[in-house]
Amino acid sequence: NAGVTQTPKFRVLKTGQSMTLLCAQDMNHEYMYWYRQDPGMGLRLIHYSVGEGTTAKGEVPDGYNVSRLKKQNFLLGLESAAPSQTSVYFCASSYEINQPQHFGDGTRLSIL
Amino acid sequence: KQEVTQIPAALSVPEGENLVLNCSFTDSAIYNLQWFRQDPGKGLTSLLLIQSSQREQTSGRLNASLDKSSGRSTLYIAASQPGDSATYLCAVETSGSRLTFGEGTQLTVNP
Repeated sequence: NAGVTQTPKFRVLKTGQSMTLLCAQDMNHEYMYWYRQDPGMGLRLIHYSVGEGTTAKGEVPDGYNVSRLKKQNFLLGLESAAPSQTSVYFCASSYEINQPQHFGDGTRLSIL
Repeated sequence: KQEVTQIPAALSVPEGENLVLNCSFTDSAIYNLQWFRQDPGKGLTSLLLIQSSQREQTSGRLNASLDKSSGRSTLYIAASQPGDSATYLCAVETSGSRLTFGEGTQLTVNP
């Protein structure tokens, strides 16, 4: 029972570098989400997708891009990393609206 | 803008005690309210989901209530155990399947 898998688990970047975070789910869920969790701010929605080929902006989308080319995968990209993007990133998925969201274990990203 | 507040921020209780965690939200136009558990260094685990038309949900020793009109929810944990130690988060789902989270209550149950 893999559920939601995030890779990598840890990463350190230098300012200005780019990277992609991968989220994969094996539950045939339509909806997928990317959140960031910061002390004192809670979890905030970055982008989400309501199905293959769709994406939408969440609460804090600036500086991030996403793609959902396959139903099971949701990619989060940082084109030019900034120290303010140091955070723990969580991916989640759900079968449809009004259903529990299932979370991965997170990616801890530090930008120097 | 929806805002979710959880009180208290931290709670320490002896094993066996019954306890209540509180959650409030500012906009009553929600699809549901969800309670999650987060262990250190881990992701979130869904505990209970209460639909907007429901008043409460129960799972084992957990009972969650929802008063949508007043913008409040409580999570009741009966006969607490050390294994219940974790951060508990509540979140409300609004249009577009968007979850807005509170900052959580960090619970410690002492043996």
